[in-house]
Amino acid sequence: GAVVSQHPSRVICKSGTSVKIECRSLDFQATTMFWYRQFPKQSLMLMATSNEGSKATYEQGVEKDKFLINHASLTLSTLTVTSAHPEDSSFYICSARAGRGREQYFGPGTRLTVT
Amino acid sequence: TQLLEQSPQFLSIQEGENLTVYCNSSSVFSSLQWYRQEPGEGPVLLVTVVTGGEVKKLKRLTFQFGDARKDSSLHITAAQTGDTGLYLCAGLVDYGQNFVFGPGTRLSVLP
Repeated sequence: GAVVSQHPSRVICKSGTSVKIECRSLDFQATTMFWYRQFPKQSLMLMATSNEGSKATYEQGVEKDKFLINHASLTLSTLTVTSAHPEDSSFYICSARAGRGREQYFGPGTRLTVT
Repeated sequence: TQLLEQSPQFLSIQEGENLTVYCNSSSVFSSLQWYRQEPGEGPVLLVTVVTGGEVKKLKRLTFQFGDARKDSSLHITAAQTGDTGLYLCAGLVDYGQNFVFGPGTRLSVLP
């Protein structure tokens, strides 16, 4: 299967600071990347969808000014959590796919803890 | 309301037992995927089914897509402790943009 990486795997930051998470497709070109959030013992919650070179589409209830998504190339998307608060602490997972209707491959996730 | 329902929500069984988990919807899917997620990791794709009535086998796992492409099941034979995890189904509605995920079935296989 295709490989998607995320960096960092864990990050601890102070309240009010910003954190950037990277998602890379290592062996394929990802026309679309997705960002999910997952709370303990719950399923994935889609935050936003980004297509390379265009603005991200955010799901209802997700603040686009707080969760900045950039999909600058076919192999890299970034999620920046701005002015982080403790309630932003969560497991953030990205996925990528090569084309419409194709399989999605997930990254290993990033555990964010805001103190 | 969830577009995709999964049942049971939780399942705890002994090693060696068989089990079936279900993924149901009132919507028709052009494609459906099953994933397994272990704690602290991202979901791993197990299988994709696209044809109504399709059956796929992956070692001890058997996946079936309903004839009407609205539901799917995952059967595990002789479960092992390594099968423990969160099983997620995800459906693509009418060749749409995004897969929609179900809430998951959390499986614990006890030694």
